[in-house]
Amino acid sequence: QQQVKQSPQSLIVQKGGIPIINCAYENTAFDYFPWYQQFPGKGPALLIAIRPDVSEKKEGRFTISFNKSAKQFSLHIMDSQPGDSATYFCAASRMDTGRRALTFGSGTRLQVQP
Amino acid sequence: NAGVTQTPKFRVLKTGQSMTLLCAQDMNHEYMYWYRQDPGMGLRLIHYSVGEGTTAKGEVPDGYNVSRLKKQNFLLGLESAAPSQTSVYFCASSEGPGQFDYGYTFGSGTRLTVV
Repeated sequence: QQQVKQSPQSLIVQKGGIPIINCAYENTAFDYFPWYQQFPGKGPALLIAIRPDVSEKKEGRFTISFNKSAKQFSLHIMDSQPGDSATYFCAASRMDTGRRALTFGSGTRLQVQP
Repeated sequence: NAGVTQTPKFRVLKTGQSMTLLCAQDMNHEYMYWYRQDPGMGLRLIHYSVGEGTTAKGEVPDGYNVSRLKKQNFLLGLESAAPSQTSVYFCASSEGPGQFDYGYTFGSGTRLTVV
């Protein structure tokens, strides 16, 4: 049972384009939504995160948009660069038996062409 | 500062063989995790530990065992490897619970193939 649904599975954009990756969740107990970036041969690394009391968060060229009523959130990459080519995972976090449990989406492989 | 170190990086096992994957972190984190990553499945939690001497089951624990005898180390064992355990395994660590804006620090992974 996948609690966090992520789309698309893969995405190709030209340099300067704005790729958008979408995620949806069902469990209203989730209260923290991070995004992870993974380069080939490396482990995922925290990119940006948002709490549900705000609708948008920007860090550099990366923006999270959050729609609490629709239970959806998305990652936008402004002025994308070939160096942004990586796999991106959305995640949702909640407290579970005394610990903060993290549930990952299935990932989106992004390719930014020069 | 090494962060999270996993050994080995690659391994090929025959069905029925056993092995142990080692994870070491130097950040004094309380929490440690083992995930497996499979195409189209994202990262799935195998086991985790909330402190030295403790372990708990995650989403997909069958066929795996873990131990955390020292705070900085978290071992993942496969007693009798099966082809279904072919995957990339990631170890991660984090600070204590109940805090926002903390992230998991991941190791670089172990690619395991069971033939």
